Amino acid sequence: QVQLVQSGAEVKKPGAAVNVSCKSSGYPFTSHYIHWVRQVPGQGLEWMGVIYPRGGDTTYAQRFQGRVTMTRDTSSSTLYMEFSSLRSEDTAIYYCARGPSTGWYYFEDWGQGTPVTVSS
Amino acid sequence: SYELTQPLSVSVALGQTASITCGGDNIGRINVHWYQQKPGQAPVLVMYKDSNRPSGIPERFSGSNSGNTATLTIHRAQAGDEADYFCQVWDSSTVVFGGGTKVTVL
Repeated sequence: QVQLVQSGAEVKKPGAAVNVSCKSSGYPFTSHYIHWVRQVPGQGLEWMGVIYPRGGDTTYAQRFQGRVTMTRDTSSSTLYMEFSSLRSEDTAIYYCARGPSTGWYYFEDWGQGTPVTVSS
Repeated sequence: SYELTQPLSVSVALGQTASITCGGDNIGRINVHWYQQKPGQAPVLVMYKDSNRPSGIPERFSGSNSGNTATLTIHRAQAGDEADYFCQVWDSSTVVFGGGTKVTVL
């Protein structure tokens, strides 16, 4: 079955960067877009961007441009999301989510989420 | 940027029907997807492309989209349907989520 297993909780200081990983299994790694979505505690969902694992192409949400970098390692079927210049308002749960093989932008499967706390 | 409007909360009696709306400018022209999220859990896709149910989602869930409103309907509501529900679209090269609706089963 499809699994997306994310790295554990992180605590970072303002200005630092965080790197969240998402190890995928149970499907052809290069055939599905992987998106990153975050959720500030008690609030809604916010899309950060997407990576196509086959070629590594990325598209980032405008508000995160310049702070987010999405990469992948095809040898280990693992995706990475680096988020830099962290601020307290970036405290959130960060999810990776798998899109369908058709390339449509919705999310069939989700990782368990990685809590990131930004605090001095 | 495109905006999606959802009611903050919807209450439904056990066994009755709940309708969760998602409003947007001419939303009927684009596909809408819906997610269910229970406390402490990741979201789960319950409807895609307006009215398609993923495998494993009960037939009690249905969806529609027309004009300025998309709707997720839960028939014969059960206690286990109590959750937050989010609508989502792809528009102008970005993903947009609604603010979410908390469904309470009475």
